[in-house]
Amino acid sequence: SQKIEQNSEALNIQEGKTATLTCNYTNYSPAYLQWYRQDPGRGPVFLLLIRENEKEKRKERLKVTFDTTLKQSLFHITASQPADSATYLCALSRGGATNKLIFGTGTLLAVQP
Amino acid sequence: GAVVSQHPSRVICKSGTSVKIECRSLDFQATTMFWYRQFPKKSLMLMATSNEGSKATYEQGVEKDKFLINHASLTLSTLTVTSAHPEDSSFYICSASWQALNTEAFFGQGTRLTVV
Repeated sequence: SQKIEQNSEALNIQEGKTATLTCNYTNYSPAYLQWYRQDPGRGPVFLLLIRENEKEKRKERLKVTFDTTLKQSLFHITASQPADSATYLCALSRGGATNKLIFGTGTLLAVQP
Repeated sequence: GAVVSQHPSRVICKSGTSVKIECRSLDFQATTMFWYRQFPKKSLMLMATSNEGSKATYEQGVEKDKFLINHASLTLSTLTVTSAHPEDSSFYICSASWQALNTEAFFGQGTRLTVV
């Protein structure tokens, strides 16, 4: 079965720096890889989606890379702000008839002012 | 983005009773809805996939008689936790997809269930 691992430790960075979060998977290459943000006591909120034939995706201060050889995705937040503090989840989908997502363990990001 | 509303946001019930959680897609038709369970500081665990007008597909290890799912319309799916026990206490979250196009999922705000 697919295993998805993210930075197990919380990530603490200084405001203005770039945060880099890692998502590694062990089995099949997903058709889609997505990143979500989750605040305490809330449901996840979609951030970015990258397809298996894409290397990089950007949206404002966010950037996602996808390396199917390494079976890894990196999620970057540039010019980080304290408001970026949250748990970030990566999720994989095989595609097909349903949009079944398998979630990683999540990484807690804390941006210090 | 599309809006998914989940209700209630918090519920406390006594052991042995049943609790129903609703998940509604407010501005789109959700052919597929998903139910997740999340323990503190853990990731989301998929419980079941709910398709409108058909029986839900449960993940391995999830008791279908314990967690009843109904997807009667394209905008509403319900999860009923039957004969709840304290170990059922958890954060339950639903998500919905539009026509299962393998795009982003829209999540409800979650329901914190506490069984006493």
